Amino acid sequence: SAVISQKPSRDICQRGTSLTIQCQVDSQVTMMFWYRQQPGQSLTLIATANQGSEATYESGFVIDKFPISRPNLTFSTLTVSNMSPEDSSIYLCSAEQTLAPYEQYFGPGTRLTVT
Amino acid sequence: QKEVEQNSGPLSVPEGAIASLNCTYSDRGSQSFFWYRQYSGKSPELIMFIYSNGDKEDGRFTAQLNKASQYVSLLIRDSQPSDSATYLCAVMLGYGGSQGNLIFGKGTKLSVKP
Repeated sequence: SAVISQKPSRDICQRGTSLTIQCQVDSQVTMMFWYRQQPGQSLTLIATANQGSEATYESGFVIDKFPISRPNLTFSTLTVSNMSPEDSSIYLCSAEQTLAPYEQYFGPGTRLTVT
Repeated sequence: QKEVEQNSGPLSVPEGAIASLNCTYSDRGSQSFFWYRQYSGKSPELIMFIYSNGDKEDGRFTAQLNKASQYVSLLIRDSQPSDSATYLCAVMLGYGGSQGNLIFGKGTKLSVKP
């Protein structure tokens, strides 16, 4: 299974600022994903990050608000831009295994609080 | 709209009992099914996957899949207090890659009482 690390683990930010979250995988993977999890809620997919192509965003999420980079097969970043208190959440990255059944493993998450 | 439904619980079972967690999904094209365990304040941890009809056993865990009924379940035998967590059912439409998006249920909170 993949081992995934995320930085920072938590942060408190002021509204209007931006935060970049880093996600590092210990092996090369094609597909990485970014999720958001509100307190007591399930996971909501923000976008899919493929190496060498633009990220694919889910309905309700836009590139200007959540720009994503995927410079290589082991690393991705998610930026939360122009933050508001509604962006307070846990942000999780995951990596999909390259062989069937293509299971996803998750990083430890970044707990973001916007004041 | 692809949906994955779970009873939110809480499901409370005594220590040593069998915990039964259920999940239904709406898309008949779904191919792979995953169970994640999430402790409070932690990220989801993959515990089981299944993609063929029938049962799959791994230690105290058994996943059951019935594609005709669009139903997947997770049985935990000899439940322990350490099994207390939220269990997330996730469904994948395709076989990974461009179809690798997982649809998650809202999770069932399990409480195992000593």
